[in-house]
Amino acid sequence: ELQLVESGGGSVQPGGSLRLSCVASGFTFHHISWIRQAPGKRLEWVATIGPDGRDKKYVDSVEGRCTMARDNAKKSFYLEMTSLRVEDTATYYCVRANSMGGTVTITGALDTWGQGTVVSVSS
Amino acid sequence: SYELTQPPSVSVSPGQTAKITCVGHNLESKYVAWYRQKAGQSPNLVIYKTTVRPPGTPERFSGSSSGNIATLSITDSQGADEGDFYCQAWDDFKVVFGGGTKLTVL
Repeated sequence: ELQLVESGGGSVQPGGSLRLSCVASGFTFHHISWIRQAPGKRLEWVATIGPDGRDKKYVDSVEGRCTMARDNAKKSFYLEMTSLRVEDTATYYCVRANSMGGTVTITGALDTWGQGTVVSVSS
Repeated sequence: SYELTQPPSVSVSPGQTAKITCVGHNLESKYVAWYRQKAGQSPNLVIYKTTVRPPGTPERFSGSSSGNIATLSITDSQGADEGDFYCQAWDDFKVVFGGGTKLTVL
């Protein structure tokens, strides 16, 4: 059974940096996304990385401040966040995007979610 | 940017059918997934490719689409069905979520 376990969250001041990590057990070669949820708010997509790490896409609000990476040998995925803002405060979920038998960006669904890691940005 | 619109809340009586809608431009050309999030938990996939139930989703849950509206229906609603429901589609390489609908069974 595939499991995703995030770590690396914490409390930082505005302008600070954090590196979120996600380790997979039962690993498969899939797209991985980071999804965040501010307290009491909706789900928000942050970034997606392709299976070989070459294709990456970010939401406009983190473009230039976040970098997603993966190390398939270590079954690990990362989200490096810099210049953090108060509005980045959220629970960050590491999520597998499964193509469901088609092309992930057409038929794909987020079928496995981690438990989340909390990022708090405040002065 | 692409947007999906959901009603903030839906209430249903036990045993009745709950319907949660998701509206998006040209949604009929996209596949839609639905997720349920119970309080304090991570979201969980309940429908993918608009109409398909993954293993573990009760048969009482079904998805449909007509025009620019996708609908999640839950027949014989039970208290255990309560939670926040999100629809989701892809816009190129970007994941787009609806604003979420809080389902209350009372």
